[in-house]
Amino acid sequence: GIQVEQSPPDLILQEGANSTLRCNFSDSVNNLQWFHQNPWGQLINLFYIPSGTKQNGRLSATTVATERYSLLYISSSQTTDSGVYFCAVEGGGADGLTFGKGTHLIIQP
Amino acid sequence: KAGVTQTPRYLIKTRGQQVTLSCSPISGHRSVSWYQQTPGQGLQFLFEYFSETQRNKGNFPGRFSGRQFSNSRSEMNVSTLELGDSALYLCASSLGPGLGTGELFFGEGSRLTVL
Repeated sequence: GIQVEQSPPDLILQEGANSTLRCNFSDSVNNLQWFHQNPWGQLINLFYIPSGTKQNGRLSATTVATERYSLLYISSSQTTDSGVYFCAVEGGGADGLTFGKGTHLIIQP
Repeated sequence: KAGVTQTPRYLIKTRGQQVTLSCSPISGHRSVSWYQQTPGQGLQFLFEYFSETQRNKGNFPGRFSGRQFSNSRSEMNVSTLELGDSALYLCASSLGPGLGTGELFFGEGSRLTVL
């Protein structure tokens, strides 16, 4: 099946810093989503972005499907941005989302 | 509009018992998927239902089963519980199959502890 690698696994930043999270995948995809898992476990949709670039406030994402990677940018980080960020993809087999192991982000005040 | 609703949120069972979890999708969504999250294995796809039919199934034993009703609500069942079934079970809904499952929206999860 499709493989998903996220980097870095852990990231500690000061409030106000910018960050870039990366997601590499091993095959072409029909679906790519970025999620933020809140402390209670719910996966919050950030972006549905199988290709192209999107922006939502301080967050933006870019997927370069031909090169099989996606980037999530967080600008002017706030402590509430802390948590685990997951990239998930679905290949052509429509066999559900395959999740990466996540990036654990800690924003310190 | 209301999001994906999962019940119960927390439950404790003992080995050998069985459990049923429920998921109500976003209104108008006809596809429901289930995922298991554990510290060791991360997030793994269990199965997906659309129009009361299982479309896809992940690599889980037959003890894990599910169904979808005509109103798109879904249930999953785990029989003969094992300690390793302790996990957060997440349900997701989407409009329906197009190219893949489409954009998924997740519920808050059901946290199962098996003693």
